Formats: sequence, C-alpha cells, structure tokens
Amino acid sequence: DGGITQSPKYLFRKEGQNVTLSCEQNLNHDAMYWYRQDPGQGLRLIYYSQIVNDFQKGDIAEGYSVSREKKESFPLTVTSAQKNPTAFYLCASRGQPGETQYFGPGTRLLVL
Amino acid sequence: SQELEQSPQSLIVQEGKNLTINCTSSKTLYGLYWYKQKYGEGLIFLMMLQKGGEEKSHEKITAKLDEKKQQSSLQITAYQPSHAGIYLCGADRTGNQFYFGTGTSLTVIP
Repeated sequence: DGGITQSPKYLFRKEGQNVTLSCEQNLNHDAMYWYRQDPGQGLRLIYYSQIVNDFQKGDIAEGYSVSREKKESFPLTVTSAQKNPTAFYLCASRGQPGETQYFGPGTRLLVL
Repeated sequence: SQELEQSPQSLIVQEGKNLTINCTSSKTLYGLYWYKQKYGEGLIFLMMLQKGGEEKSHEKITAKLDEKKQQSSLQITAYQPSHAGIYLCGADRTGNQFYFGTGTSLTVIP
C-alpha cells in the first residue's frame, strides 16, 4: 500500500535527551514536511524539504533538526534545546505544488 | 497573527442538523484545502478549491470558495456521528509551503 508511516506512535523523552521521530513515504513525493500540533493551535510548520539533501526552516524550527539523505525518509530530531517538546508531531509529503499533502498517523511526544 | 482564521472554534451539533464552518484569509488564496482529523490521528484530505466561486461536494459535505478567493465555507448536511472530529482548512504559501487554520472541533449529541 502507498502511504506515509511514522514511528513510534508514542515517544517519551527524558530531560536533556535528544529523540528522533521517523517518517517514511513510498509515494515517490519530492516534498516532505514536519508539523507540530498543540491543542487549539492548529498545525505549525517545523521544517520542510523539497528535494533530497536540501531542507528549509519553517515557523518554529528552534530546538529541532532534520536530514533528508533519501527521498523516502525525513527524520526529525527533537533536541534538548527544545524546552517544550510535548506535542503531537505530524509528517506529510506532497507530489507537486498545487496538490494536496498526505499525512502520516502522527507521533505523540511526552516528557518524563 | 493567524493567516487563516477558522470559525467557530468548536461546535456541538445535534444529529441530523446542518452546520457551516468558515475559513477566512486576509490574502488571496491560490489553493484552499479542507481536511478532517480524528483525535490522535493524521489528517485526511477532503477537498481542494482553486477558482473563485468554485463549489465541490462529496457525500454530505460541500465546500465553497468565494469570488474574491479570501473565504471558504464547509457545510455538512444531516450531521451524523461519523462526521465528528476536527476540521482544518489549509492554504498554499510561496515556496511550496503550506499553512493551516486553527481548526474547528465538531461533537455530536443524539
């Protein structure tokens, strides 16, 4: 089946720890996105990538890092510099501008 | 400031009733998308509108984009429990970016 997968579904982070969220797509899409969703705030763009080995900061990139070594994969690392990481994280991909984005099922990150 | 304003923020709807959600932008919209989200899950694409005055329907959901391309509405007819969830509008931004409204949460009462 074609689609986007995210893992894990739930992730726990300890103070001072970096954690990495996985996002994989088999839709052959060039563009991939990471969003953060907090209650009552909609989705906010963290990072996006339009092509392999290239990515740009979104509106709230501080405390996060990404890589795009393969077309299918766009992992997000939540670093210890992100002081309020508890949120629901959504990954998306898109074939062409003007087309819809397709979303993964999300990862909920909680701080211990 | 929020680039896309959605109203209302939440709605409690009786089964069988009709409802309308609005999405308003201060800028001209060049692609307006509607999504549905169940709590704790990803977004599901509903419809996309591009032309001023455009209207699309799928099952009991109808989306419209006004002539000025600054406001869109989503109407649900004969609301059912399966319609419950969060509805979000999204729009294209320059550079292949995308931005979203704050969402409207729909809850059903029998």
